Amino acid sequence: GDSVTQMEGPVTLSEEAFLTINCTYTATGYPSLFWYVQYPGEGLQLLLKATKADDKGSNKGFEATYRKETTSFHLEKGSVQVSDSAVYFCALSAQGAQKLVFGQGTRLTINP
Amino acid sequence: EAGVAQSPRYKIIEKRQSVAFWCNPISGHATLYWYQQILGQGPKLLIQFQNNGVVDDSQLPKDRFSAERLKGVDSTLKIQPAKLEDSAVYLCASSLVQLGNTEAFFGQGTRLTVV
Repeated sequence: GDSVTQMEGPVTLSEEAFLTINCTYTATGYPSLFWYVQYPGEGLQLLLKATKADDKGSNKGFEATYRKETTSFHLEKGSVQVSDSAVYFCALSAQGAQKLVFGQGTRLTINP
Repeated sequence: EAGVAQSPRYKIIEKRQSVAFWCNPISGHATLYWYQQILGQGPKLLIQFQNNGVVDDSQLPKDRFSAERLKGVDSTLKIQPAKLEDSAVYLCASSLVQLGNTEAFFGQGTRLTVV
């Protein structure tokens, strides 16, 4: 079945460091790919998405590129801030479906 | 625009008791989801409704879990009887009916502790 694998956390970085959180997926056809973020005490919210191969999703300085050849959707940010501390979830929705299949989440902590 | 509303925010019950969670989706969203998020894991879909019909309940433990969405708006998820392994955050989400490109909007969740 469809699945998403994220890099193990927790990840701890200093402010202004470069961030990469790896995400790979298994799915038939052409799924849509998403990154959701969960800030402390808040619900999940969509960070960015990409719906076809080679699309780049971006928001709040974060970027991820849909790579069909490597079945990956890695999250990157050039300079992280303390306010980026949160749990990040990679997810997919299979072609023709609406439900989301999530990875296990990566907890990110940014130290000043 | 109001978001997805869930209640209660927290619930502590003893095993074998019953519990119910309520969700009010964003107005106009035909699709409603219930996810279970166990600590340290990603959310897992329990059930998906489109209007008041069930689209997917393949992962719902039907011997103890039930859900309904009367009139295609609010939804209730019930657990009876609860087990220790049901301790989790129960997330409700809603979306418009747009395959593949749909953004799901999540509520803050109900944190259930079964003791």
